[in-house]
Amino acid sequence: ETGVTQTPRHLVMGMTNKKSLKCEQHLGHNAMYWYKQSAKKPLELMFVYNFKEQTENNSVPSRFSPECPNSSHLFLHLHTLQPEDSALYLCASSQATLNTEAFFGQGTRLTVV
Amino acid sequence: GEDVEQSLFLSVREGDSSVINCTYTDSSSTYLYWYKQEPGAGLQLLTYIFSNMDMKQDQRLTVLLNKKDKHLSLRIADTQTGDSAIYFCAESIGKLIFGTGTRLQVFP
Repeated sequence: ETGVTQTPRHLVMGMTNKKSLKCEQHLGHNAMYWYKQSAKKPLELMFVYNFKEQTENNSVPSRFSPECPNSSHLFLHLHTLQPEDSALYLCASSQATLNTEAFFGQGTRLTVV
Repeated sequence: GEDVEQSLFLSVREGDSSVINCTYTDSSSTYLYWYKQEPGAGLQLLTYIFSNMDMKQDQRLTVLLNKKDKHLSLRIADTQTGDSAIYFCAESIGKLIFGTGTRLQVFP
């Protein structure tokens, strides 16, 4: 248990569906992240939020839309995804964005059919 | 540039030492990390090393850093079956950049 909780753990969605991934942390951290983990590829940083403000969008397609309503919650809204978007989506949080340990959630395994 | 490279697989016998290697490209990294991912789980921090150190030991884990060659290694002594997992190295340059991960398989 790292203190970072992701829901759902598994999600299967059609290409025309709209769904959201949720991440929650009560560690008092100020930075939150979305990563994508695909087989045999490096973990890809998608978005960074620091004090609720988006500080990095790593050229992510607009079909992925993040939302950070407060420092404890982070969402990833999904719409019109493609099968190649199937992956493990990991949320992480850290006290700050620079040189601090990141704590990861268990991830949401997403399958797009 | 931002690039962290690791070999994909390592297989060792139980009781032997494992050495997982990593190379990174950004010399401005101040911290380098090793994370472990067990099946069905997220990443868990194992250990880290500050860039002005060349070695750090923590129980069965030894981290070696060659800053000149931008090479990082993780040595696990007396490897156990419970050490089977994917190991990621990461550099911190205002954000964490991860490698592909090395899948460690420990056989009896």
